[in-house]
Amino acid sequence: TQLLEQSPQFLSIQEGENLTVYCNSSSVFSSLQWYRQEPGEGPVLLVTVVTGGEVKKLKRLTFQFGDARKDSSLHITAAQPGDTGLYLCAGWSFNKFYFGSGTKLNVKP
Amino acid sequence: GAGVSQTPSNKVTEKGKYVELRCDPISGHTALYWYRQSLGQGPEFLIYFQGTGAADDSGLPNDRFFAVRPEGSVSTLKIQRTERGDSAVYLCASSLTAGAAETQYFGPGTRLLVL
Repeated sequence: TQLLEQSPQFLSIQEGENLTVYCNSSSVFSSLQWYRQEPGEGPVLLVTVVTGGEVKKLKRLTFQFGDARKDSSLHITAAQPGDTGLYLCAGWSFNKFYFGSGTKLNVKP
Repeated sequence: GAGVSQTPSNKVTEKGKYVELRCDPISGHTALYWYRQSLGQGPEFLIYFQGTGAADDSGLPNDRFFAVRPEGSVSTLKIQRTERGDSAVYLCASSLTAGAAETQYFGPGTRLLVL
């Protein structure tokens, strides 16, 4: 059983559309990180959120940490083919990171 | 500067054999993590080191798996009597220190296939 559940598992959209990916848990985390992973490579950190209710923006990406620090969302505005990849959330608890199962995003031109 | 490197990039072995996977972290990073990633899944925590000591090895699946970091830099993940179920990508990551807000820098992984 995964400590962090991500949804949806797969998402295929057209260029220009908006999307939201969710990361949920029944556990509280000290921080929540989002990574993007491309085939054959390791994950690359996009953002870290540490305060309940925190919102961070990175160009077209908006990240939110839930008030209770149990969940997070990633919203992408006007998706581009370069956004294609596996999006992973990871929560810090008990002195280590737990990863979600990932959302595989495909943005079609 | 150089990132995290892992060798070999691919390893094919036969059931029952012994394998060693190597991780070279970013210079100066005291924390080093090992994860295992199966196809279509997120990374699964195995073990992490703070300096030379294993701070948490609770993710190692059984006693066939062992990891060392003798000088607080390079780490080796050792798997004895490999089984087909050990086939996965083994990822290594390092960070300046261990903590909730620290950035983990990942290597490209070692793809292990046990026949």
